[in-house]
Amino acid sequence: SQKIEQNSEALNIQEGKTATLTCNYTNYSPAYLQWYRQDPGRGPVFLLLIRENEKEKRKERLKVTFDTTLKQSLFHITASQPADSATYLCALGPGGGNKLTFGTGTQLKVEL
Amino acid sequence: DVKVTQSSRYLVKRTGEKVFLECVQDMDHENMFWYRQDPGLGLRLIYFSYDVKMKEKGDIPEGYSVSREKKERFSLILESASTNQTSMYLCASSFPSGHTDTQYFGPGTRLTVL
Repeated sequence: SQKIEQNSEALNIQEGKTATLTCNYTNYSPAYLQWYRQDPGRGPVFLLLIRENEKEKRKERLKVTFDTTLKQSLFHITASQPADSATYLCALGPGGGNKLTFGTGTQLKVEL
Repeated sequence: DVKVTQSSRYLVKRTGEKVFLECVQDMDHENMFWYRQDPGLGLRLIYFSYDVKMKEKGDIPEGYSVSREKKERFSLILESASTNQTSMYLCASSFPSGHTDTQYFGPGTRLTVL
């Protein structure tokens, strides 16, 4: 069955450093991969999408890579700030009926 | 600005009660989804709908039903609430592009069943 793995342990980094989050998947050949941000008690918010034929995507301080051979995506936040503290979810698609399959998320804490 | 709203942020119900959770989107999206989110388990799909009056089971439909009478509204029904249905419920919608399927989420309803 399809499986998506994200680090269950929280990632703690210092302000100004680059945060790198990992999303690994098995038994899946996604056409695209998405990253979402979720703050406590709120719904996820879409950040970035990368397609299977793209190696890298950037948006402001965010960078996403997608390696379909390794079956892995890396999500980078450069010059991290305390306001970046949140849980970040990866999602793969498409599924039947335009569904997405979500990972469990990694909590990021950026400390002063 | 896209918007998905859910009827309640917090809800407390008793075991055996019938519970209605409502979701409304103003983006004219065809697809709508109901998830529950529990610590360590992530987002799990309960039901989804790709058109009015159409519904499909997700990964954990047991104990739930849904209704979609209008395009903008998708309701989740707990026929007889149980304590193991205490959870965060999230509604989402998307436009069926087949190329992105970006989902827009509501703020969530924290349901506690006593």
